Amino acid sequence: EVHLVESGGGLVQPGGSLRLSCAASGFTFSGYAMSWVRQAPGKGLEWVSAISGSGATTFYADSVRGRFTISRDNSKNTLYLQMNSLRAEDTAVYYCAKGGRGYSSSWVDYWGQGTLVTVSS
Amino acid sequence: EIVMTQSPATLSVSPGERATLSCRASQSVSSNLAWYQQKPGQAPRLLMYGVSTRATGIPARFSGSGSGTEFTLTISSLQSEDFAVYYCQQYNNWPLTFGGGTKVEIK
Repeated sequence: EVHLVESGGGLVQPGGSLRLSCAASGFTFSGYAMSWVRQAPGKGLEWVSAISGSGATTFYADSVRGRFTISRDNSKNTLYLQMNSLRAEDTAVYYCAKGGRGYSSSWVDYWGQGTLVTVSS
Repeated sequence: EIVMTQSPATLSVSPGERATLSCRASQSVSSNLAWYQQKPGQAPRLLMYGVSTRATGIPARFSGSGSGTEFTLTISSLQSEDFAVYYCQQYNNWPLTFGGGTKVEIK
């Protein structure tokens, strides 16, 4: 059974940094692209970033490019999101998301429970 | 960026009735279209990918259709557990994009 467990969320001041982690289990982690998707309070879903199974290729939404960095450690079955220069508009629940196929461009077939990031002074 | 537009924003339906949700893409996404269901306080759940392929465990009352820029999710006979928000997503182009959602509420 696939499990995705996020951690690392919390309250941070504007301009600060935070690193999210996602521990994955129940599937061959290196065989699938992974994404981060966020949801601001009371709003819809916004794709943030994706990374190929090998980690060699990454993709970012314009809203976070240059501030966020996605990475993965396939030996630890863990996905990361380093978030720098955080802004109030980055406040959201961040979901770890497994791609449904080997391609980086994919639907999401499993979601974590989400971790809340609040950017406020 | 491909903009995904869902309509209506809110759909009021009685249990047992049919619900038809629409999703329009600003340019063709071929058949690279997925649907998700989200209930309050929960993570989204995959319903459909490749326009019309149901995800594991999704009942047959859910069906998807369309291609190119116009897509439809149909729930043939709404059950109490189907009242939720539904999102479409294209994965044909980067960045991946979601529609704004359709809330299906009890009439």
